[in-house]
Amino acid sequence: KAGVTQTPRYLIKTRGQQVTLSCSPISGHRSVSWYQQTPGQGLQFLFEYFSETQRNKGNFPGRFSGRQFSNSRSEMNVSTLELGDSALYLCASSLAGSNPSDTQYFGPGTRLTVL
Amino acid sequence: AQSVAQPEDQVNVAEGNPLTVKCTYSVSGNPYLFWYVQYPNRGLQFLLKYITGDNLVKGSYGFEAEFNKSQTSFHLKKPSALVSDSALYFCAVRDNSGYSTLTFGKGTMLLVSP
Repeated sequence: KAGVTQTPRYLIKTRGQQVTLSCSPISGHRSVSWYQQTPGQGLQFLFEYFSETQRNKGNFPGRFSGRQFSNSRSEMNVSTLELGDSALYLCASSLAGSNPSDTQYFGPGTRLTVL
Repeated sequence: AQSVAQPEDQVNVAEGNPLTVKCTYSVSGNPYLFWYVQYPNRGLQFLLKYITGDNLVKGSYGFEAEFNKSQTSFHLKKPSALVSDSALYFCAVRDNSGYSTLTFGKGTMLLVSP
């Protein structure tokens, strides 16, 4: 079974631009979560989607948004990029997410660099 | 609010020696605990999880973890370290409510020397 895929793997943007990252979950998984990983802050939860609905949201500004499609694929968007948005963005999928014992499986991440 | 502490930024061990990576947690209710490993420029790879039952959990690549409720700990262990185990290790917790999120520790870098 194919794992979680994320595209693109690397992105370079300039301040003020916007960016869209894509995530395809493992087949049959309906929950997708997004995380931001930086050396200083570690792994921080952005949001979680299930059945095209945002179910949880982390403590990030409104510039960070996401959505999920009917095939469970998800995108996240960051508008008006800031230097501090440079990070590895990780997507994780799980079966349904409502069972706390569900394992989240991670993609390889998208490395975003903001210049 | 739930939280995870990994008190060591880095653990150094010689190949063939046992290794321990420490994790303590704080959560309301029963915890669900996870260990992940991250190799350079890669995503997180699931190692093992504790749900309930036996306090010793066995996972991938010879890793195991011991759940200790009284000490609120979930330390990762391996009897004999390999150089290839060198990576960044994350402990994570979520509570037993239906829609809780996964909270990660800061990570511990494991360096195994030949």
